[in-house]
Amino acid sequence: DQQVKQNSPSLSVQEGRISILNCDYTNSMFDYFLWYKKYPAEGPTFLISISSIKDKNEDGRFTVFLNKSAKHLSLHIVPSQPGDSAVYFCAASYGNNRLAFGKGNQVVVIP
Amino acid sequence: EPEVTQTPSHQVTQMGQEVILRCVPISNHLYFYWYRQILGQKVEFLVSFYNNEISEKSEIFDDQFSVERPDGSNFTLKIRSTKLEDSAMYFCAIARDSLSGANVLTFGAGSRLTVL
Repeated sequence: DQQVKQNSPSLSVQEGRISILNCDYTNSMFDYFLWYKKYPAEGPTFLISISSIKDKNEDGRFTVFLNKSAKHLSLHIVPSQPGDSAVYFCAASYGNNRLAFGKGNQVVVIP
Repeated sequence: EPEVTQTPSHQVTQMGQEVILRCVPISNHLYFYWYRQILGQKVEFLVSFYNNEISEKSEIFDDQFSVERPDGSNFTLKIRSTKLEDSAMYFCAIARDSLSGANVLTFGAGSRLTVL
């Protein structure tokens, strides 16, 4: 089941620069896309979401872009901070059903 | 105080043994979910539970798995006869109100299960 794909498993970025995480999906029925952040020994924490009828949603330093025709979304973190070092999961849902997660991207922000 | 508390944080068990993982939300919820993450792999949906009934389950959630709400606050995942491949981090989650309409889940810290 590869409905949600995250390539490039790890990313290193300098503090203050932009982090860009990418996610591709296959199911055109998904109506919401979400990003979760996960620290070691903790559960995933909700970060930001976007409806399939929008192409951008912004919340502070976090912006999610959605390109429906390409079935692609991305998460931009700017400026990146050391506390952003975590694993980031892309997830998608249809209706009120299960979330389908990607494998996650490890982000390391170098001070 | 975390919104969702899971116990135990880590359990080591022998293959074939029964395991019960527990989940307690900070307030009453009707919707519960169990997910798991095998080391190095993605977070996978197991089952959703609404109003004391299973509302949806995945292909992974076979006959050796069961969920219960033994009282108003506890929510449990039971694995009847554990296999080596059941070793994973098991996450309980609750649905929270979302102005955006998205199905935003709040996860517990997880229970790590190691089957020997």
